[in-house]
Amino acid sequence: DTAVSQTPKYLVTQMGNDKSIKCEQNLGHDTMYWYKQDSKKFLKIMFSYNNKELIINETVPNRFSPKSPDKAHLNLHINSLELGDSAVYFCASTGRENEQFFGPGTRLTVL
Amino acid sequence: SQQGEEDPQALSIQEGENATMNCSYKTSINNLQWYRQNSGRGLVHLILIRSNEREKHSGRLRVTLDTSKKSSSLLITASRAADTASYFCATDAQGGSEKLVFGKGTKLTVNP
Repeated sequence: DTAVSQTPKYLVTQMGNDKSIKCEQNLGHDTMYWYKQDSKKFLKIMFSYNNKELIINETVPNRFSPKSPDKAHLNLHINSLELGDSAVYFCASTGRENEQFFGPGTRLTVL
Repeated sequence: SQQGEEDPQALSIQEGENATMNCSYKTSINNLQWYRQNSGRGLVHLILIRSNEREKHSGRLRVTLDTSKKSSSLLITASRAADTASYFCATDAQGGSEKLVFGKGTKLTVNP
């Protein structure tokens, strides 16, 4: 029933590793986003895809690579993880009036 | 930067009282939205107000928008302990991409 789902919910890993976070939405929306929320709760957009095409790419290190196999899925792969990548990552999809529907978040801890 | 700024950063009130949070932004907008985030959860959309609207209600929520002052307020009436959460405003820049820019949030604590 969950509208926007993400896996995993928690991710603890060592510096230098590569990891992926998956996101799926069953709302039929065309546009999906990845956001990063830091320890001070500041939420910043990273990427946006519309119907599998990248439309927004904020200034994000190229270690972060989003992939959208279809419009219901938007995955985030992160290479060579660094301590500063520790944060909560949220996936979201967009309704008709640009209101966002957020997933539950993935808390990434890099040790 | 278009970033919204909420104030206060933190607000603590007693159950039954009203809570008012403010948001200021810098550029012309299409709409302004308010979201709630409970601890450890994703953000939940509460209400959207368009740039040509001045006030909007949804249940115990009342949102105002003053485009001349580039500011909005969110009023929660008759607060409940369950309203304890962080509240964020987000703006959608006029003429820009569809991306939303979020403020830093107001942490509301409603004491039973």
